[in-house]
Amino acid sequence: DAKTTQPTSMDCAEGRAANLPCNHSTISGNEYVYWYRQIHSQGPQYIIHGLKNNETNEMASLIITEDRKSSTLILPHATLRDTAVYYCIVRAPTSNTGKLIFGQGTTLQVKP
Amino acid sequence: NAGVTQTPKFRILKIGQSMTLQCAQDMNHNYMYWYRQDPGMGLKLIYYSVGAGITDKGEVPNGYNVSRSTTEDFPLRLELAAPSQTSVYFCASSFGTNTGELFFGEGSRLTVL
Repeated sequence: DAKTTQPTSMDCAEGRAANLPCNHSTISGNEYVYWYRQIHSQGPQYIIHGLKNNETNEMASLIITEDRKSSTLILPHATLRDTAVYYCIVRAPTSNTGKLIFGQGTTLQVKP
Repeated sequence: NAGVTQTPKFRILKIGQSMTLQCAQDMNHNYMYWYRQDPGMGLKLIYYSVGAGITDKGEVPNGYNVSRSTTEDFPLRLELAAPSQTSVYFCASSFGTNTGELFFGEGSRLTVL
């Protein structure tokens, strides 16, 4: 599975869009990009995933560059409850274990 | 539908003691996982299972054992507790499909003194 690189921390003003970048320059053609977040002391929560097309759900949008070497998770209107550690993970679906390997993630602080 | 349930939520052990962290899921997931998270760090995979009777090591298996006798349960055993095993332990489960969505429990906080 490809490695990912994320900034250690970011700040965002409440009500503004939070844009969290992730680099995965060694991603393979069949690897998906997954995003999870972990609110303090809780178990991680799935947010969204994608292969090459942009994806949107009720929580966030995922923008993947055309060369697939990087992606951005967008929280359109960040609230204080979005303060959390956000993990970007790359994994091939052909893996028959389903396991995810977590990196250090980005700590997003949403400020009033 | 309770999802993934972990017990106990908190436990203090003395060095050398043994204990089992329990994990149960009611979503009929075949895939289950144990992670640990040290303070300020990311999650590390300890063991995982792709079905009843099948388990395999993750990134940090030393000092732990698991078993999977049923689809629902995936207990994690610590045989000789060491201070280095002080951590928060998370159990997770998934269908194991391409969605990659893991459902996590609330965690078990273990302190070894």
